Amino acid sequence: SQQGEEDPQALSIQEGENATMNCSYKTSINNLQWYRQNSGRGLVHLILIRSNEREKHSGRLRVTLDTSKKSSSLLITASRAADTASYFCATMNTGFQKLVFGTGTRLLVSP
Amino acid sequence: DTGVSQDPRHKITKRGQNVTFRCDPISEHNRLYWYRQTLGQGPEFLTYFQNEAQLEKSRLLSDRFSAERPKGSFSTLEIQRTEQGDSAMYLCASSLASGRSTDTQYFGPGTRLTVL
Repeated sequence: SQQGEEDPQALSIQEGENATMNCSYKTSINNLQWYRQNSGRGLVHLILIRSNEREKHSGRLRVTLDTSKKSSSLLITASRAADTASYFCATMNTGFQKLVFGTGTRLLVSP
Repeated sequence: DTGVSQDPRHKITKRGQNVTFRCDPISEHNRLYWYRQTLGQGPEFLTYFQNEAQLEKSRLLSDRFSAERPKGSFSTLEIQRTEQGDSAMYLCASSLASGRSTDTQYFGPGTRLTVL
């Protein structure tokens, strides 16, 4: 079963705008990861944030984690058409090795 | 490219047939995972191996499913007596458990199974 939910389910923006996606989860975690998936393809790892971290940056990506609210957000700045994809958050719970994925946000960036 | 590879990329089969998928992980990775993804959903965990030992199995992995990693390198996932509900993308991932950083899983391109 899916651990969490992502919000919004779909997001449509123009190139150059910022995109923010939110993820909520249910149980205590060891870390939270964000992945990108282009249509019909495998997942590409974007960023991992550990439970004792609050914010992390990687290029145009910024991830925040609020363990008290069991939520995370992914911000993509200055979006490009190539950012069009589905974005998934996935949690790794303490003591387990499996990833538990959310339902994903479909991002469409128009030129 | 030394990423995770999966074969075949697409498989169409008739209900009741058996199918087998193969995954080759990143060469130095000792952990290997199988996930299943249906349309519009996130991937769901099926099972994982550390070296050749299968350490965890999801209840999604019915007795028609079997996974092996005989030499701790490549893995196979077999589905016997396929059903239409088995139609999905089957994703393989690998990671390196080295003590300090064991958590990033790298995914292959997936095998898309269609059961007619």
